[in-house]
Amino acid sequence: KNEVEQSPQNLTAQEGEFITINCSYSVGISALHWLQQHPGGGIVSLFMLSSGKKKHGRLIATINIQEKHSSLHITASHPRDSAVYICAVIIAGKIIFGKGTRLHILP
Amino acid sequence: DTGVSQNPRHKITKRGQNVTFRCDPISEHNRLYWYRQTLGQGPEFLTYFQNEAQLEKSRLLSDRFSAERPKGSFSTLEIQRTEQGDSAMYLCASSLSRAGYGYTFGSGTRLTVV
Repeated sequence: KNEVEQSPQNLTAQEGEFITINCSYSVGISALHWLQQHPGGGIVSLFMLSSGKKKHGRLIATINIQEKHSSLHITASHPRDSAVYICAVIIAGKIIFGKGTRLHILP
Repeated sequence: DTGVSQNPRHKITKRGQNVTFRCDPISEHNRLYWYRQTLGQGPEFLTYFQNEAQLEKSRLLSDRFSAERPKGSFSTLEIQRTEQGDSAMYLCASSLSRAGYGYTFGSGTRLTVV
């Protein structure tokens, strides 16, 4: 079993829809990152969370430490949000990545 | 500080050639990580350094791969006798060894072995 599981693996939605991407992890962590990767591009860090909720523009990230679960939400989605979204956890100083969720927003 | 810088951005090489990639972390970050990402997969851990010491190496890092961080600042990742299976995005990240401190990622070096 992977230490970090993301769902869904692929998501296609219409512009304007509310998007939720989920991440579950199996061991205790010190922090969790949500990352964005465009095709052929490098990784951009969206959020780092160790508790609660963070918001940046149309992006919201939440984490429940007891349930070992985090979600990334995108409100009023736009085609430019199309990318791979990766959940990564910090375990014993090392980054463990999920396989990513490929998001495609249709105009 | 311009963040984590990786060079080159793209590298195309013939099978059997040696390649070297460079990562310049954020200057005050003492930890530096190398990851490899193949198409459709999440990044996989290769190795990491704390200052100049290489603290951990993945079994993915075969004897054709070597990484150095000689002065605890920039790092190089060398692949000898490249194979087509080495084609991937090689990512570098840096951080401070402090609990709860975030990581900064470079843009990656995309290697294509033909």
